[in-house]
Amino acid sequence: DAGVIQSPRHEVTEMGQEVTLRCKPISGHNSLFWYRQTMMRGLELLIYFNNNVPIDDSGMPEDRFSAKMPNASFSTLKIQPSEPRDSAVYFCASTLDGGYNEKLFFGSGTQLSVL
Amino acid sequence: KNQVEQSPQSLIILEGKNCTLQCNYTVSPFSNLRWYKQDTGRGPVSLTIMTFSENTKSNGRYTATLDADTKQSSLHITASQLSDSASYICVVSPNDYKLSFGAGTTVTVRA
Repeated sequence: DAGVIQSPRHEVTEMGQEVTLRCKPISGHNSLFWYRQTMMRGLELLIYFNNNVPIDDSGMPEDRFSAKMPNASFSTLKIQPSEPRDSAVYFCASTLDGGYNEKLFFGSGTQLSVL
Repeated sequence: KNQVEQSPQSLIILEGKNCTLQCNYTVSPFSNLRWYKQDTGRGPVSLTIMTFSENTKSNGRYTATLDADTKQSSLHITASQLSDSASYICVVSPNDYKLSFGAGTTVTVRA
């Protein structure tokens, strides 16, 4: 299995621009998570999908952030408009069924820099 | 409030030596405790998952311990290798999907 696949690996954009991050979870996994990692705050949960349905988006920092999961094999995280404080590494992760004892598999992340 | 505290923040060890990382948590309720290894520029990779009833779990040269009474865990690396240079993150799971992440310990192994 290829694992969780994220694209792009790196994104550099200017303030105000729209940014779209993409994720393909492991085949057969029906729970998907988006996390953000910064030096100051560590790893933070942004949103959790189960069976393509958003279950908890309380971690999404502002209305500028939105996430979709149109099918079981694809999810996007969009920031519009982007701001310099959005600069971070964004990780997508998936588990088989979202059970709290299940192993969480992370993608390699997208390093976002907003200038 | 950070409910998972890791120490030390960073450490440097010589190749072949052992080291132990610490994790204290106050997360409640408690379901399991995980240790992840994160190489630079990569996503975290699971090393061990321990539930309340497990005291020790090993994964190759990595051995994790858990004392659920004192809410402490440790990760011991035996005979370190250069490839062990990474950040090690302690993660505590309550009874749902909202994991509590520690800030990590950065380990540097030098030849």
